[in-house]
Amino acid sequence: EDQVTQSPEALRLQEGESSSLNCSYTVSGLRGLFWYRQDPGKGPEFLFTLYSAGEEKEKERLKATLTKKESFLHITAPKPEDSATYLCAVPETSGSRLTFGEGTQLTVNP
Amino acid sequence: GAGVSQSPSNKVTEKGKDVELRCDPISGHTALYWYRQSLGQGLEFLIYFQGNSAPDKSGLPSDRFSAERTGGSVSTLTIQRTQQEDSAVYLCASSLSTADSGNTIYFGEGSWLTVV
Repeated sequence: EDQVTQSPEALRLQEGESSSLNCSYTVSGLRGLFWYRQDPGKGPEFLFTLYSAGEEKEKERLKATLTKKESFLHITAPKPEDSATYLCAVPETSGSRLTFGEGTQLTVNP
Repeated sequence: GAGVSQSPSNKVTEKGKDVELRCDPISGHTALYWYRQSLGQGLEFLIYFQGNSAPDKSGLPSDRFSAERTGGSVSTLTIQRTQQEDSAVYLCASSLSTADSGNTIYFGEGSWLTVV
């Protein structure tokens, strides 16, 4: 069964304190790993798609990396506006829908 | 519009009543998804439409839930005889084709359903 596990469940940082979020997955034949950001009361907002081990993508203070078993979302010198829930997801082996992790709720204090 | 549009944005209904939630996907997107997100929880898959193929209904939690997609565009999710446990955000998403083809799935802002 396809599984996506995110850790930690919640993370509290001080502004400027860099850290990483983890997304572990078990799926046969990975066909992409998606990262989303979700603000309270909003739908998930697309951030990145990664396809192969070793691939990296960056956007402002965020950098996503991928290995054969997990993905990391690195946040460098975060700001309070980076506070959100970060979700990762993979297409299921048996179909095309996305299986999501439970998310990491990030809070960045000024 | 440029994004996935959902209506209503908020709905309060009495237990036992039927509700309809509407989704207007991004123009040209053939794949359409419905997910449910309970308070503080992750996204739960409900149903998936792709072009003219039979929908994947494997995530619908009970026979009180149904969905249709007319003309390959607008979709309606119907919940009959609502129960309090149906209270959640119902998220619609669309993509050019299937996610495993490398197509990004874009989400709407959701319909917040409260059953009292």
